[in-house]
Amino acid sequence: KAGVTQTPRYLIKTRGQQVTLSCSPISGHRSVSWYQQTPGQGLQFLFEYFSETQRNKGNFPGRFSGRQFSNSRSEMNVSTLELGDSALYLCASSLNRGKNIQYFGAGTRLSVL
Amino acid sequence: QKEVEQNSGPLSVPEGAIASLNCTYSDRVSQSFFWYRQYSGKSPELIMSIYSNGDKEDGRFTAQLNKASQYVSLLIRDSQPSDSATYLCAVNRAESGKKSSGDKLTFGTGTRLAVRP
Repeated sequence: KAGVTQTPRYLIKTRGQQVTLSCSPISGHRSVSWYQQTPGQGLQFLFEYFSETQRNKGNFPGRFSGRQFSNSRSEMNVSTLELGDSALYLCASSLNRGKNIQYFGAGTRLSVL
Repeated sequence: QKEVEQNSGPLSVPEGAIASLNCTYSDRVSQSFFWYRQYSGKSPELIMSIYSNGDKEDGRFTAQLNKASQYVSLLIRDSQPSDSATYLCAVNRAESGKKSSGDKLTFGTGTRLAVRP
């Protein structure tokens, strides 16, 4: 079974631009969560989607948004990029049944110049 | 006070020794606890999950949970140089009164483990 797939793996953008990251969950997984990882703040929860609905949200500004499609694939968008948005963005999927276990993709490394 | 706290390390142990990693959490309603291993430049990989008080063993790894004291630990027996990585403690904080609170993992900052050959 294929794991969580994130594209692209690397991105370089400039301040003020916007970016869209994509995540395909493990087949059969319906919950997709997004995290930001930086050296200073560690892993921080952005949001979680289930059945095309945002179910949980972390403490990030409105510039960070996401959505989930009917096939459970998810995208996250960051508008008006700032230097501080440079980070590893990780997507995780889970079955959402019983004791949920999240499996992570390889991540997208975003550099904002 | 951080929601999930870990000693950042580095924790250095000789090959073959037992490595002990600790984690405390602040939210008493937390119900799911996870240990992830993250190699430099890679994504987190699940090592153990634990949901009830006591010990859970899987190969060389043992997770211990004490909800009354709000701590969870990971023991790595017969440590190998390949175990050198950052170990992340993660907690799923249930929302009171909601059957399906979804997935919202809160992570500690991680403990860096170095196993000396």
